[in-house]
Parts: sequence; structure tokens; C-alpha cells
Amino acid sequence: QSALTQPASVSGSPGQSITISCTGTSSDVGGYNYVSWYQQHPGKAPKLMIYDVSNRPSGVSNRFSGSKSGNTASLTISGLQAEDEADYYCSSYTSSSTLVFGTGTKVTVL
Amino acid sequence: QLQLQESGPGLVKPSETLSLTCTVSGGSISSSSYYWGWIRQPPGKGLEWIGSIYYSGSTYYNPSLKSRVTISVDTSKNQFSLKLSSVTAADTAVYYCVCLRVVVITWWGQGTLVTVSS
Repeated sequence: QSALTQPASVSGSPGQSITISCTGTSSDVGGYNYVSWYQQHPGKAPKLMIYDVSNRPSGVSNRFSGSKSGNTASLTISGLQAEDEADYYCSSYTSSSTLVFGTGTKVTVL
Repeated sequence: QLQLQESGPGLVKPSETLSLTCTVSGGSISSSSYYWGWIRQPPGKGLEWIGSIYYSGSTYYNPSLKSRVTISVDTSKNQFSLKLSSVTAADTAVYYCVCLRVVVITWWGQGTLVTVSS
């Protein structure tokens, strides 16, 4: 299975909004509403930020939102803060009953 | 609040079998609500799903690793394990054990670095 495609890097100034894309196929992202997003700070384990395309776990800031259109899912961070600087990974369930991750996106707060 | 802790050798020789165990606390590995799995991350690279298991023993593996991977559950010890055979330097990574609500990774272990080297 091929990794989902994410931009290598996205940057923004504090207070701005940024969007990270996650592109797959009709066998994964496009076929199921089972896209999740994870945030990973250096040296730390990832943390769940969004699940089932657009749902936020308890405790995750409402500045984080998710959506999907066709074979592409997106994570939007609004009101960008310094603490949001991290790597972000999407994941999707696949038609083979497996999970696949995205290539990862480094978010830089300018 | 579930807690997961990986344990196992930090150094494995090429061609040998990597073996890791994850001890679960704060919850039962026999719960019908959870799946258990392994994720790895080579140094400086992205995440890779290795596989998942349900307490009943049903397993799901990454097709690219399937021929070398075995994930098992020991309900008596509240643990699950990973075995990866015929390792090479490409298997050097931080290995995370995780708890999934079906396909959503909700809890992560702290991760353990396994280096493949002679």
C-alpha cells in the first residue's frame, strides 16, 4: 500500500490559518470516513487531533478542524500558535482492512 | 486512562528476529472496545503501521511486512507482542505500541528505539 500524500512543509504566522492536505485514493481516503490526524512534537509520541474526518477528541482545541472532499482530506489549524509547530500525519482505513499513514507535514510557525 | 509500555532489546543483529512486548495498564486487553497494534518510525522519517490485533486473536498486517510479522496477545499477562523476522538495517526505528478504537489510534506508548546492527 502506498503512503498518503501530504505536503512536506506548511508555514504560517501566529494568528493565521493553515491547511494541510492528505491525498489518497478511492480505496482509502475517498472510500471511507475513517481519516485521522496526529500531531507529533520532536521526541514525543504522536497525539490524536482529529478522527473520523472531522471529529475532535475531548481536550483538543477547537482551532483544529478536519474535512474531506473526494480522495483528499484536510486539516485546518486556525489562530496558529507557537505550540502548533510540529509534524502532522494523516491516516486512513483502507479497503484491505489495513491502515495507511500520510507522508507527514512539518508545520512551522514563523 | 490506559497506559502502554514497550519493552525488549534495543539492539538486534541483522537476519535475527526483533521481539517487543507491550504491557497494558489501566484497562483490560480483553476489552471488546479496543484493538492493539504496533507503529514504527525510522529516525527522521514518517510513521508506518505494522499491524493490529483484536483480543480474540484476529490480526491485520501491513502487506509490505506481512511475511515477516507476527502480533500476538497474552490476556493472562495483559500484554501483546510483536515479532519481526529477518531484520535488516531498514528495520531500525522507534517502535510504538498503540491502542486503537477500531481504526483510530487513541493511546500510544512512549516508544522504544530498536537498532539493527552487528
